[in-house]
Amino acid sequence: SQTIHQWPATLVQPVGSPLSLECTVEGTSNPNLYWYRQAAGRGLQLLFYSVGIGQISSEVPQNLSASRPQDRQFILSSKKLLLSDSGFYLCAWSLKGLAYEQYFGPGTRLTVT
Amino acid sequence: GENVEQHPSTLSVQEGDSAVIKCTYSDSASNYFPWYKQELGKRPQLIIDIRSNVGEKKDQRIAVTLNKTAKHFSLHITETQPEDSAVYFCAASPTGTASKLTFGTGTRLQVTL
Repeated sequence: SQTIHQWPATLVQPVGSPLSLECTVEGTSNPNLYWYRQAAGRGLQLLFYSVGIGQISSEVPQNLSASRPQDRQFILSSKKLLLSDSGFYLCAWSLKGLAYEQYFGPGTRLTVT
Repeated sequence: GENVEQHPSTLSVQEGDSAVIKCTYSDSASNYFPWYKQELGKRPQLIIDIRSNVGEKKDQRIAVTLNKTAKHFSLHITETQPEDSAVYFCAASPTGTASKLTFGTGTRLQVTL
């Protein structure tokens, strides 16, 4: 069966510091991968998605970036964090083709101070 | 792009009663409609989904209906229990390899004893 991991689980970072969040998927090959952000008490905002290695599509212009260096690894980065970057960051995966189900990782709770 | 509206934002029902959450979408190309349940501090969990070639789908106490003509779909929970208390999100996705989901803003369901 497939498993999705995210780390770290929680993170407190000062404004202006860099960020690197990692997501890995086990038990499947060539998945679609997604990064979402959820502000406190709010809905899910799609930030980036990837259909393959090195293929990244951005949904919302901001100071975040994403990379997919390996088939089942998805990284979310920032060079300088803003207060508004605080939130719950969720990675998700799906199979390709007609199976649209997306499954979420456990998430990283980021607080920018 | 797709826009999904969800109502109500909060819903309180007594244990044993039914709960209904409604969503509308804007993109006629959308053909996949999942529902997620998110408990406090946890990841969203897929609870049921429906595709455009089906008008209704049921799984035990949970059912989803879809009206493609009117572009709306609904989640029905019967015989509600305290453990049904959570935030529920609807989403919509058009056909495509990326399976991008656009989420509604969520409904906080409270089941009281």
